[in-house]
Amino acid sequence: QVQVVESGGGVVQPGRSLRLSCAASGFTFSTYGMHWVRQAPGKGLEWVAVISNDGSKKHYEDSVKGRFTISRDNSKNTLYVQMNSLRAEDTAVYYCAKGGPRAEIIDYWGQGTLVIVSS
Amino acid sequence: DIQMTQSPSSLSASVGDRVTITCRSSQDISKYLAWLQQKPGKAPKSLIFGASNLQSGVPSRFSGSGSGTDFSLTISSLQPEDFATYYCQQYNFYPLTFGQGTRLEIK
Repeated sequence: QVQVVESGGGVVQPGRSLRLSCAASGFTFSTYGMHWVRQAPGKGLEWVAVISNDGSKKHYEDSVKGRFTISRDNSKNTLYVQMNSLRAEDTAVYYCAKGGPRAEIIDYWGQGTLVIVSS
Repeated sequence: DIQMTQSPSSLSASVGDRVTITCRSSQDISKYLAWLQQKPGKAPKSLIFGASNLQSGVPSRFSGSGSGTDFSLTISSLQPEDFATYYCQQYNFYPLTFGQGTRLEIK
């Protein structure tokens, strides 16, 4: 069955960096686009970034452009997001999500990893 | 960016009730709309894509309709496991955007 499992969350000081990973299994990873979506405590869902199946195309939400970089390693079935210059407002649960036959259609979600940006 | 507005923000209903949640987009998104369900402390679950197509394994009591700017999610007969927060999401344009959520509570 499809599984995506996030890791790498934790507490980090403002201005520092963190890299999240998402290990995928149960499907042909290299065939599908992948997303990061976040949810601040008690708030709604906010899309963060997407990467195409081969890594050639990427899109970002405006508030993370220039600070976050989405990437993937198809040989390891793993999705990443490198988060630099972190701010308090980046505090959230970060979900890895699998795109469908059309990459923009999210069909499976991971359980999330919590990132807390605080001094 | 496309703004997604859901109504109501919260809703109380009983098991067996029929409920409808609406979602309006700030621009025409054709049928590029999804609905998601999220239970407290859990990951979202994708329910519907293309405004009316059920994701695999989603019960048939869930249905979606609409196109352009106005959409709705209907649950025909509420079950105890359906009490959750529901989000609409457009995927016609980047950035993908979500509605603010509708919290469905037990009356």
